[in-house]
Amino acid sequence: DTEVTQTPKHLVMGMTNKKSLKCEQHMGHRAMYWYKQKAKKPPELMFVYSYEKLSINESVPSRFSPECPNSSLLNLHLHALQPEDSALYLCASSIRQGPTEAFFGQGTRLTVV
Amino acid sequence: TQLLEQSPQFLSIQEGENLTVYCNSSSVFSSLQWYRQEPGEGPVLLVTVVTGGEVKKLKRLTFQFGDARKDSSLHITAAQPGDTGLYLCAGESNAGNMLTFGGGTRLMVKP
Repeated sequence: DTEVTQTPKHLVMGMTNKKSLKCEQHMGHRAMYWYKQKAKKPPELMFVYSYEKLSINESVPSRFSPECPNSSLLNLHLHALQPEDSALYLCASSIRQGPTEAFFGQGTRLTVV
Repeated sequence: TQLLEQSPQFLSIQEGENLTVYCNSSSVFSSLQWYRQEPGEGPVLLVTVVTGGEVKKLKRLTFQFGDARKDSSLHITAAQPGDTGLYLCAGESNAGNMLTFGGGTRLMVKP
């Protein structure tokens, strides 16, 4: 199994809503990542978890709250988002944290209205 | 953060043509990766180059890592519409031992 699975694939939420994005991998990878990608731009790193501990937070606003319940799961909790937060949110995993090969999920297309 | 610059940013060609995409930096990388991303999907890893001067081939795609490990190129021979997508190079960031992406090259191959 070399897949990273993200749910939901699409999400529309209001600015007062609370929602969560989910990511799962069963490759035994110990590093998991959240990226944000705007249209026609490269992915931008948001958070890194290494061995289930938050390793890097790239100065992401607190309305985005990551969670790593176990080594296979990664969540991104969303609250009070702004329309400019609309983007493709990508989850990725790698064997370990670092510039190693990363496997990406299909992403969640988020629209904030 | 080490800066990776990709060129061209956008390329539109006819089926059957050849093309080269470049990924350049002023810094040395321990390795470089190339990904392809189709609209609405996540990036898919194509190749990792590690050794200076290394050349790797993946069917019609040829990847090269510069001798000084500061740049890389992707050459596609006889492009096909299925090659259409966003091509991203990625390398190690100075900050936090992380992967950083180049700006991407958007390729469109017309039938």
